[in-house]
Amino acid sequence: DTAVSQTPKYLVTQMGNDKSIKCEQNLGHDTMYWYKQDSKKFLKIMFSYNNKELIINETVPNRFSPKSPDKAHLNLHINSLELGDSAVYFCASSRDRGRNEKLFFGSGTQLSVL
Amino acid sequence: DQQVKQNSPSLSVQEGRISILNCDYTNSMFDYFLWYKKYPAEGPTFLISISSIKDKNEDGRFTVFLNKSAKHLSLHIVPSQPGDSAVYFCAASPWGGSEKLVFGKGTKLTVNP
Repeated sequence: DTAVSQTPKYLVTQMGNDKSIKCEQNLGHDTMYWYKQDSKKFLKIMFSYNNKELIINETVPNRFSPKSPDKAHLNLHINSLELGDSAVYFCASSRDRGRNEKLFFGSGTQLSVL
Repeated sequence: DQQVKQNSPSLSVQEGRISILNCDYTNSMFDYFLWYKKYPAEGPTFLISISSIKDKNEDGRFTVFLNKSAKHLSLHIVPSQPGDSAVYFCAASPWGGSEKLVFGKGTKLTVNP
Protein backbone atom coordinates (compact mmCIF):
# COMPACT_ATOMS: atom_id res chain seq x y z
CA ASP A 1 0.00 0.00 0.00
CA THR A 2 1.84 3.07 -1.31
CA ALA A 3 2.30 5.81 1.30
CA VAL A 4 2.62 8.74 -1.12
CA SER A 5 1.25 8.14 -4.57
CA GLN A 6 1.31 10.52 -7.49
CA THR A 7 -0.15 10.20 -10.94
CA PRO A 8 0.69 10.10 -13.73
CA LYS A 9 4.20 8.70 -13.64
CA TYR A 10 4.98 10.03 -17.11
CA LEU A 11 3.44 13.02 -18.82
CA VAL A 12 4.32 14.04 -22.36
CA THR A 13 2.58 17.08 -23.73
CA GLN A 14 2.84 19.98 -26.14
CA MET A 15 3.85 23.52 -25.28
CA GLY A 16 0.91 25.67 -24.32
CA ASN A 17 -1.18 22.85 -22.89
CA ASP A 18 -2.58 22.72 -19.34
CA LYS A 19 -1.94 19.64 -17.24
CA SER A 20 -2.40 18.39 -13.69
CA ILE A 21 -0.48 16.03 -11.45
CA LYS A 22 -2.27 14.41 -8.55
CA CYS A 23 -0.84 13.40 -5.20
CA GLU A 24 -2.31 11.50 -2.30
CA GLN A 25 -0.81 10.36 0.99
CA ASN A 26 -2.30 7.78 3.33
CA LEU A 27 0.08 8.43 6.22
CA GLY A 28 -2.15 10.87 8.07
CA HIS A 29 0.47 13.60 7.67
CA ASP A 30 -0.33 17.28 8.12
CA THR A 31 2.20 18.70 5.68
CA MET A 32 2.60 18.12 1.95
CA TYR A 33 5.06 19.46 -0.61
CA TRP A 34 5.84 19.73 -4.27
CA TYR A 35 9.47 19.51 -5.32
CA LYS A 36 11.00 19.93 -8.76
CA GLN A 37 14.12 18.12 -9.90
CA ASP A 38 15.48 19.87 -12.94
CA SER A 39 18.08 18.78 -15.47
CA LYS A 40 20.87 19.78 -13.09
CA LYS A 41 19.45 17.27 -10.59
CA PHE A 42 18.76 19.72 -7.79
CA LEU A 43 15.65 19.01 -5.76
CA LYS A 44 14.00 22.36 -5.14
CA ILE A 45 10.88 23.03 -3.15
CA MET A 46 8.02 24.66 -4.99
CA PHE A 47 5.15 24.59 -2.53
CA SER A 48 4.45 23.49 1.00
CA TYR A 49 1.02 23.03 2.51
CA ASN A 50 0.22 22.46 6.13
CA ASN A 51 -3.31 21.36 6.97
CA LYS A 52 -4.46 22.60 3.56
CA GLU A 53 -2.93 26.04 4.03
CA LEU A 54 -0.08 27.32 1.87
CA ILE A 55 3.05 27.77 3.97
CA ILE A 56 5.60 28.56 1.33
CA ASN A 57 5.50 29.39 -2.32
CA GLU A 58 9.01 29.59 -3.66
CA THR A 59 9.57 31.76 -6.66
CA VAL A 60 7.70 29.74 -9.19
CA PRO A 61 5.69 31.15 -12.08
CA ASN A 62 2.05 31.69 -11.31
CA ARG A 63 1.29 29.25 -14.12
CA PHE A 64 1.81 26.66 -11.38
CA SER A 65 -1.09 26.42 -8.97
CA PRO A 66 -1.31 23.90 -6.13
CA LYS A 67 -4.68 22.78 -4.85
CA SER A 68 -5.26 20.95 -1.60
CA PRO A 69 -8.87 19.74 -1.33
CA ASP A 70 -8.08 18.01 1.96
CA LYS A 71 -5.12 17.12 4.13
CA ALA A 72 -4.41 13.93 2.21
CA HIS A 73 -4.28 15.45 -1.26
CA LEU A 74 -2.12 18.06 -2.94
CA ASN A 75 -2.52 18.44 -6.66
CA LEU A 76 -0.42 20.55 -9.01
CA HIS A 77 -1.96 22.27 -11.99
CA ILE A 78 0.23 23.82 -14.65
CA ASN A 79 -1.11 26.26 -17.23
CA SER A 80 0.46 27.14 -20.58
CA LEU A 81 3.28 24.63 -20.34
CA GLU A 82 6.71 25.74 -21.52
CA LEU A 83 9.76 23.77 -22.62
CA GLY A 84 11.56 24.76 -19.41
CA ASP A 85 8.91 23.06 -17.32
CA SER A 86 10.29 19.68 -18.37
CA ALA A 87 11.52 18.06 -15.17
CA VAL A 88 10.66 15.42 -12.60
CA TYR A 89 8.10 16.60 -10.06
CA PHE A 90 7.98 14.93 -6.66
CA CYS A 91 5.20 15.10 -4.16
CA ALA A 92 6.15 14.55 -0.52
CA SER A 93 4.59 14.61 2.91
CA SER A 94 5.74 14.84 6.52
CA ARG A 95 4.05 14.43 9.85
CA ASP A 96 4.24 18.15 10.47
CA ARG A 97 6.42 21.16 9.66
CA GLY A 98 9.20 20.37 12.11
CA ARG A 99 12.56 20.60 10.40
CA ASN A 100 13.62 17.26 11.82
CA GLU A 101 10.65 15.53 10.25
CA LYS A 102 11.35 12.92 7.62
CA LEU A 103 9.92 13.60 4.22
CA PHE A 104 8.15 10.74 2.46
CA PHE A 105 8.33 11.13 -1.30
CA GLY A 106 6.20 9.84 -4.10
CA SER A 107 7.91 8.13 -7.01
CA GLY A 108 7.86 11.22 -9.19
CA THR A 109 6.17 12.43 -12.37
CA GLN A 110 8.45 12.90 -15.35
CA LEU A 111 7.05 15.79 -17.36
CA SER A 112 8.27 16.27 -20.92
CA VAL A 113 7.11 19.35 -22.79
CA LEU A 114 7.62 19.14 -26.54
CA ASP B 1 23.71 29.73 -5.47
CA GLN B 2 24.47 26.24 -4.23
CA GLN B 3 24.15 26.26 -0.47
CA VAL B 4 24.59 22.48 -0.28
CA LYS B 5 27.30 21.01 -2.46
CA GLN B 6 28.02 17.42 -3.31
CA ASN B 7 31.07 17.80 -5.47
CA SER B 8 31.39 14.18 -6.48
CA PRO B 9 28.68 13.27 -8.96
CA SER B 10 29.59 9.60 -8.72
CA LEU B 11 31.49 7.10 -6.60
CA SER B 12 32.32 3.48 -7.25
CA VAL B 13 33.41 1.02 -4.53
CA GLN B 14 33.83 -2.70 -4.11
CA GLU B 15 31.37 -4.72 -2.09
CA GLY B 16 32.50 -5.02 1.52
CA ARG B 17 34.58 -1.86 1.45
CA ILE B 18 33.74 1.52 2.94
CA SER B 19 31.80 4.13 0.95
CA ILE B 20 32.35 7.75 1.93
CA LEU B 21 30.03 10.37 0.50
CA ASN B 22 30.84 14.00 1.13
CA CYS B 23 28.77 17.13 1.45
CA ASP B 24 29.74 20.77 2.01
CA TYR B 25 27.48 23.64 2.93
CA THR B 26 27.91 27.37 2.86
CA ASN B 27 25.08 28.68 5.02
CA SER B 28 26.22 28.93 8.64
CA MET B 29 22.56 29.02 9.70
CA PHE B 30 22.14 25.36 8.76
CA ASP B 31 22.07 23.24 11.87
CA TYR B 32 20.18 20.12 10.93
CA PHE B 33 21.33 17.72 8.25
CA LEU B 34 19.82 14.71 6.55
CA TRP B 35 20.75 12.12 3.99
CA TYR B 36 18.25 10.68 1.55
CA LYS B 37 18.74 7.72 -0.74
CA LYS B 38 17.11 7.40 -4.15
CA TYR B 39 16.75 4.40 -6.41
CA PRO B 40 15.91 4.88 -10.11
CA ALA B 41 12.23 5.58 -10.82
CA GLU B 42 11.52 6.00 -7.10
CA GLY B 43 11.32 8.98 -4.79
CA PRO B 44 14.04 9.74 -2.24
CA THR B 45 13.78 7.94 1.09
CA PHE B 46 15.13 9.17 4.39
CA LEU B 47 18.32 7.48 5.53
CA ILE B 48 19.88 9.23 8.51
CA SER B 49 20.09 12.67 10.10
CA ILE B 50 22.24 14.66 12.48
CA SER B 51 21.76 17.76 14.56
CA SER B 52 24.53 20.32 14.89
CA ILE B 53 24.82 19.59 18.60
CA LYS B 54 26.36 16.25 17.65
CA ASP B 55 29.34 15.38 15.51
CA LYS B 56 28.39 11.78 14.80
CA ASN B 57 25.26 9.71 14.39
CA GLU B 58 25.19 6.02 13.66
CA ASP B 59 22.47 3.70 12.43
CA GLY B 60 23.60 0.20 11.58
CA ARG B 61 25.99 0.32 8.65
CA PHE B 62 25.43 4.06 8.16
CA THR B 63 27.27 6.78 10.05
CA VAL B 64 27.08 10.49 9.45
CA PHE B 65 29.89 12.76 10.63
CA LEU B 66 29.54 16.50 10.99
CA ASN B 67 32.41 18.99 11.09
CA LYS B 68 30.78 22.34 11.80
CA SER B 69 33.95 24.38 11.63
CA ALA B 70 34.63 23.06 8.13
CA LYS B 71 30.94 23.15 7.16
CA HIS B 72 31.32 19.58 6.03
CA LEU B 73 29.50 16.35 6.59
CA SER B 74 30.08 12.86 5.35
CA LEU B 75 28.14 9.63 5.15
CA HIS B 76 30.03 6.40 5.74
CA ILE B 77 28.61 3.07 4.69
CA VAL B 78 30.41 0.04 6.11
CA PRO B 79 30.42 -2.55 4.70
CA SER B 80 29.03 -1.47 1.35
CA GLN B 81 26.57 -3.81 -0.34
CA PRO B 82 25.37 -3.91 -3.96
CA GLY B 83 21.89 -2.93 -2.74
CA ASP B 84 23.37 0.36 -1.56
CA SER B 85 23.84 1.41 -5.18
CA ALA B 86 21.69 4.52 -5.47
CA VAL B 87 21.86 8.30 -5.57
CA TYR B 88 22.49 9.86 -2.17
CA PHE B 89 21.23 13.37 -1.47
CA CYS B 90 22.58 15.53 1.31
CA ALA B 91 20.10 18.05 2.72
CA ALA B 92 20.40 20.84 5.26
CA SER B 93 17.98 22.96 7.21
CA PRO B 94 18.24 26.15 9.22
CA TRP B 95 16.06 26.76 12.23
CA GLY B 96 12.48 26.88 11.10
CA GLY B 97 10.05 24.69 9.27
CA SER B 98 10.65 21.70 7.05
CA GLU B 99 9.93 23.84 4.03
CA LYS B 100 13.38 25.43 4.43
CA LEU B 101 15.18 22.18 3.65
CA VAL B 102 17.83 22.57 0.94
CA PHE B 103 19.09 19.60 -1.07
CA GLY B 104 22.37 18.97 -2.83
CA LYS B 105 22.37 17.51 -6.32
CA GLY B 106 23.28 14.02 -5.21
CA THR B 107 26.11 11.51 -5.57
CA LYS B 108 25.53 8.31 -7.48
CA LEU B 109 27.05 5.39 -5.58
CA THR B 110 27.79 2.14 -7.38
CA VAL B 111 28.80 -0.85 -5.28
CA ASN B 112 30.39 -3.53 -7.41
CA PRO B 113 30.03 -7.20 -6.41
